[in-house]
Amino acid sequence: EPEVTQTPSHQVTQMGQEVILRCVPISNHLYFYWYRQILGQKVEFLVSFYNNEISEKSEIFDDQFSVERPDGSNFTLKIRSTKLEDSAMYFCASSQGLAFEQFFGPGTRLTVL
Amino acid sequence: GQQLNQSPQSMFIQEGEDVSMNCTSSSIFNTWLWYKQDPGEGPVLLIALYKAGELTSNGRLTAQFGITRKDSFLNISASIPSDVGIYFCAGHENSGYALNFGKGTSLLVTP
Repeated sequence: EPEVTQTPSHQVTQMGQEVILRCVPISNHLYFYWYRQILGQKVEFLVSFYNNEISEKSEIFDDQFSVERPDGSNFTLKIRSTKLEDSAMYFCASSQGLAFEQFFGPGTRLTVL
Repeated sequence: GQQLNQSPQSMFIQEGEDVSMNCTSSSIFNTWLWYKQDPGEGPVLLIALYKAGELTSNGRLTAQFGITRKDSFLNISASIPSDVGIYFCAGHENSGYALNFGKGTSLLVTP
């Protein structure tokens, strides 16, 4: 069964460093998303991406964040200068259509020291 | 996004018991989704609901999209130890892209 994959599973970085989180969405899906989950809290929406542009973003997704689909399969989230409060699980998700069910990857645990 | 109220926050039950949890919102949702999350893993989709009043089953799981479009419930029948995890409701408001998640119901099942 097709699934969303994410790499790395765990990323440790120093405050102020740039990180890139990678995702391979399900191949016939057209909509891509990033969410984050701070330990013990609910899943929070960051950004959605469709037709090679951002379609919606939350207040969390400030100028330090960017997304890119560099080729036909990968979808990346970049954090330019990480802060301690960026430590969280980051989930990529994809869907076939707008307001369709979203399928989530296993997540990348980001730890900022 | 709109605050989703999910209850109960946690449940501790014996194997074989039935479980019910629900989510409410003060605004109308166009879809309701129920996910299960195991520790350190991503949310796994259990059931998706698209129409007010819709009742959908997936094995021992049954979920309903409330008539007012402001609530949904999830029932698990005859619970087993592998049902342990955190269950999240989530939904789309209007025609938005973002999924708005509840805070989760933590389920513990004792043999």
